Amino acid sequence: GAVVSQHPSWVICKSGTSVKIECRSLDFQATTMFWYRQFPKQSLMLMATSNEGSKATYEQGVEKDKFLINHASLTLSTLTVTSAHPEDSSFYICSARFPLPGSGANVLTFGAGSRLTVL
Amino acid sequence: GDSVTQMEGPVTLSEEAFLTINCTYTATGYPSLFWYVQYPGEGLQLLLKATKADDKGSNKGFEATYRKETTSFHLEKGSVQVSDSAVYFCALMKAAGNKLTFGGGTRVLVKP
Repeated sequence: GAVVSQHPSWVICKSGTSVKIECRSLDFQATTMFWYRQFPKQSLMLMATSNEGSKATYEQGVEKDKFLINHASLTLSTLTVTSAHPEDSSFYICSARFPLPGSGANVLTFGAGSRLTVL
Repeated sequence: GDSVTQMEGPVTLSEEAFLTINCTYTATGYPSLFWYVQYPGEGLQLLLKATKADDKGSNKGFEATYRKETTSFHLEKGSVQVSDSAVYFCALMKAAGNKLTFGGGTRVLVKP
């Protein structure tokens, strides 16, 4: 259980175009999902918290109009990189909060990531 | 704010060697602690976790003990394999918000 699927796993686009990345929780409902960005050989940086049915909460320094997040259902969140530029090339990873049965604790389950290359 | 510090890599080992990756944290309250592993070209996978002081998380031969007195959560494995080559991330989560704070990651390379 607790599988998160990301699509596409990799995408190449031209500068100026927009790219949408999907994050789905396959066997559980996720009211909250998180979007991370990972630069080569670096750690993950939280970009935003996606909340089902409401606006996303962005971390300081992340452009809301550049990285559009929509969480329209309990199993799907999307990240759209608008007017992409080469500096947006990165590895984007989503995660969803999954409550562990019987423990009261939550773990975050991660998708496999989406590698974006902007030419 | 909260932070996680882990030893820088890369760590290069021979097969069957003992692995230790140090991780210390700074946080208020009582966070949960995690180790995630990232294999080349893949996303993160939860390796093990501990939710309170003195808990020991274990999985696939890896172990880590939540030490509140030293604010540490060091990862250990007694005998590594080539397939353990990956990047390992230490992380903490506070109950409120459920946001993960990651360390910088440690790349481990195991040679045959």
